[in-house]
Amino acid sequence: ETGVTQSPTHLIKTRGQQVTLRCSSQSGHNTVSWYQQALGQGPQFIFQYYREEENGRGNFPPRFSGLQFPNYSSELNVNALELDDSALYLCATEGQGALEQYFGPGTRLTVT
Amino acid sequence: EDQVTQSPEALRLQEGESSSLNCSYTVSGLRGLFWYRQDPGKGPEFLFTLYSAGEEKEKERLKATLTKKESFLHITAPKPEDSATYLCAVQAPAGSYQLTFGKGTKLSVIP
Repeated sequence: ETGVTQSPTHLIKTRGQQVTLRCSSQSGHNTVSWYQQALGQGPQFIFQYYREEENGRGNFPPRFSGLQFPNYSSELNVNALELDDSALYLCATEGQGALEQYFGPGTRLTVT
Repeated sequence: EDQVTQSPEALRLQEGESSSLNCSYTVSGLRGLFWYRQDPGKGPEFLFTLYSAGEEKEKERLKATLTKKESFLHITAPKPEDSATYLCAVQAPAGSYQLTFGKGTKLSVIP
């Protein structure tokens, strides 16, 4: 049990729409990272938040944005959805070890 | 740019048939190399962290090793429940938890 939860489990959206995905972790986890995993690929780093500030970003356009809240929850927002945004979206927080990250179960987003 | 290459892409084993998965990496200043297990439609499950060449870690039928250029995940006498995709990832820049993943090896263990 990682203590990381994500909602919703599945989501279907239409091209051009906007979507918000949510992640919650146990108290004391100051860092949250978001990843996109396309079918048959490894997860790709989107961005990371540390104490409510963005602290690193991967090669994703500005229509991917995020927020981290004082209660250790986080949101990933994607505007102007494209078909290629269909993927499993994962959030991760730091684990017990110095560098470890524990992942949530993911949100499966389908864009039609 | 950090790169992680995993081989083979897919591996079918008979139950009890031991084998190894390979993860080759190119990174400037490795902070850690990670192995995860991922079942279909689920989030990756943490297995191991390796920090320096020569390090080894074991968990049940799995053993991970690390050299300066690659890591191996050895699976001894696998069971059908070991069937999953195994992901390798590296972490490089200081001050960030960013992981760079390979595409994974899909392992199928046949009874």
